[in-house]
Amino acid sequence: DTAVSQTPKYLVTQMGNDKSIKCEQNLGHDTMYWYKQDSKKFLKIMFSYNNKELIINETVPNRFSPKSPDKAHLNLHINSLELGDSAVYFCASSQGTYGTQNTEAFFGQGTRLTVV
Amino acid sequence: AQKITQTQPGMFVQEKEAVTLDCTYDTSDPSYGLFWYKQPSSGEMIFLIYQGSYDQQNATEGRYSLNFQKARKSANLVISASQLGDSAMYFCAMREGDGGYNKLIFGAGTRLAVHP
Repeated sequence: DTAVSQTPKYLVTQMGNDKSIKCEQNLGHDTMYWYKQDSKKFLKIMFSYNNKELIINETVPNRFSPKSPDKAHLNLHINSLELGDSAVYFCASSQGTYGTQNTEAFFGQGTRLTVV
Repeated sequence: AQKITQTQPGMFVQEKEAVTLDCTYDTSDPSYGLFWYKQPSSGEMIFLIYQGSYDQQNATEGRYSLNFQKARKSANLVISASQLGDSAMYFCAMREGDGGYNKLIFGAGTRLAVHP
């Protein structure tokens, strides 16, 4: 009964390959996110979707393409992988969109992507 | 300018003692929410506590409390009676504004080590 689940947990691939990470939430939340955590543990938002619509795209290279087939799923496809893409990618979801509400984001367990 | 600043890259505390993890934030929006997350070595992100900008009282959740000083723009996390299992990275985060701008901005994190 995992709330936010993402697969795979580990992904090792060669430069130039294309890969996808899948994310699903069973919390009934309207908003889903992708975050990237670099080697220094810094977390930065990449994308945010609200009810399947893209609402935030934070200057992420075009090689990264999120897809939300429905509001419970947000997948991340990465083309032409580069060494610098190595990081931990977190999917998250939250209910609501307002700053002052206690709409904490629930995170998946992360996908550690290693590009060799 | 940094939106969220955590000035302590690392902290250590003796088991059973209290510890304060610092967080300052920068926003001109009157509506915002502040969050603390814990990331143990296993990698998952665990929500700990939330403070809304209009909340009159400091938030508390079990052994966690948030020392919210609005005029100073600080939202320090206090962990009382530290346990060995509290050893982890701790991230302060902020969500700004009402009406759709719904991303969490994270600080760089503080690594807490609890010593027996």
